[in-house]
Amino acid sequence: NAGVTQTPKFQVLKTGQSMTLQCAQDMNHNSMYWYRQDPGMGLRLIYYSASEGTTDKGEVPNGYNVSRLNKREFSLRLESAAPSQTSVYFCASSHRGASHEQYFGPGTRLTVT
Amino acid sequence: GQSLEQPSEVTAVEGAIVQINCTYQTSGFYGLSWYQQHDGGAPTFLSYNALDGLEETGRFSSFLSRSDSYGYLLLQELQMKDSASYFCAVRDQAGTALIFGKGTTLSVSS
Repeated sequence: NAGVTQTPKFQVLKTGQSMTLQCAQDMNHNSMYWYRQDPGMGLRLIYYSASEGTTDKGEVPNGYNVSRLNKREFSLRLESAAPSQTSVYFCASSHRGASHEQYFGPGTRLTVT
Repeated sequence: GQSLEQPSEVTAVEGAIVQINCTYQTSGFYGLSWYQQHDGGAPTFLSYNALDGLEETGRFSSFLSRSDSYGYLLLQELQMKDSASYFCAVRDQAGTALIFGKGTTLSVSS
């Protein structure tokens, strides 16, 4: 099992460009999450999907959109990137939303210039 | 809303014992969990406490006191590889996602 995979690993964007971060899990988990991590700020929840077909905003959703494509895949889109979105993005999954045990992907390091 | 407080940094030497504290404020409580993250890596789940008391997993133990809204992670027989960031987390108001503390960076020296 690969667990949670994310692509790309690194990305540099110019202000105003768009991109989609991809995430997939092979553990048959129901719930998936997108976090961003900035120095000294811990992990902040952007969006989550408690189950296939549902998505909800987290703590910092502005500037992002998500798509739960199917049970395995959960993508994060930046429509018009801004320097404030420079961060490390982690995707995670769990068996169900009520579970405290989440499995994280390796992260995408995004720089917006 | 939910908020968690933990120290930003802790230092210790190999072989020692270290305790990382976490205090929380929540509108509903579903348990406290701990995650470890090595520099540049993915966070990994360490432990979960739903009830008061101590849970032991090898060299790591986690404690919870719901009446004090407080928990801690205890690391024994410290090794250099334990140098990492440690995060406590609680479930959000809807009970469907986790809210993480800002993390404690543990530095273990020889």
